Amino acid sequence: QKEVEQDPGPLSVPEGAIVSLNCTYSNSAFQYFMWYRQYSRKGPELLMYTYSSGNKEDGRFTAQVDKSSKYISLFIRDSQPSDSATYLCALSNAGGTSYGKLTFGQGTILTVHP
Amino acid sequence: DAGVIQSPRHEVTEMGQEVTLRCKLISGHNSLFWYRQTMMRGLELLIYFNNNVPIDDSGMPEDRFSAKMPNASFSTLKIQPSEPRDSAVYFCASSLERGLLGTDTQYFGPGTRLTVL
Repeated sequence: QKEVEQDPGPLSVPEGAIVSLNCTYSNSAFQYFMWYRQYSRKGPELLMYTYSSGNKEDGRFTAQVDKSSKYISLFIRDSQPSDSATYLCALSNAGGTSYGKLTFGQGTILTVHP
Repeated sequence: DAGVIQSPRHEVTEMGQEVTLRCKLISGHNSLFWYRQTMMRGLELLIYFNNNVPIDDSGMPEDRFSAKMPNASFSTLKIQPSEPRDSAVYFCASSLERGLLGTDTQYFGPGTRLTVL
């Protein structure tokens, strides 16, 4: 079993829809939770960064972490064609000996059509 | 800041040839990560360094792969000899590890698209 599971999709939604992307994980040591966005033929770029459980909102994006269920989500409101990309969840242990190592999900391919 | 710089951006080579990929970290960062991305396997961590020291190379697929950090701001990933199954996009990423104060996130370079014929 992989440490982090993410449905690769693809996911296709109409413009303006609410998008929900999810990851589950098995290692309870993970404390940092991130979402990266990767456009075609580009490197992943950080979208959201959260520590421990709870919600974090940034514009149209909301990241949600439920450590008790080992489940993280990214919601995109009023989705736009420019949101079309691959979204990867990434998890990390605390600092120190982990040296910032991230464990990535497979990535979900999202297409928002006009 | 220029961000993480990788070269070359594209590399096409023949099976058996040596390939060297290069990466320049963001100034001030002390951790360096090499990844490989394919459709089938997603983003795989190959090796990472902290303060120029290799920490974990368990993701390096075979002895044909080697990575070095000759100084604090530069790294190379070498494949010798290359094989068609090495075809992938190779990313490097850098971050600032602050020990007990926590970890900054990783910043990725644009990647090197490698094709081995």
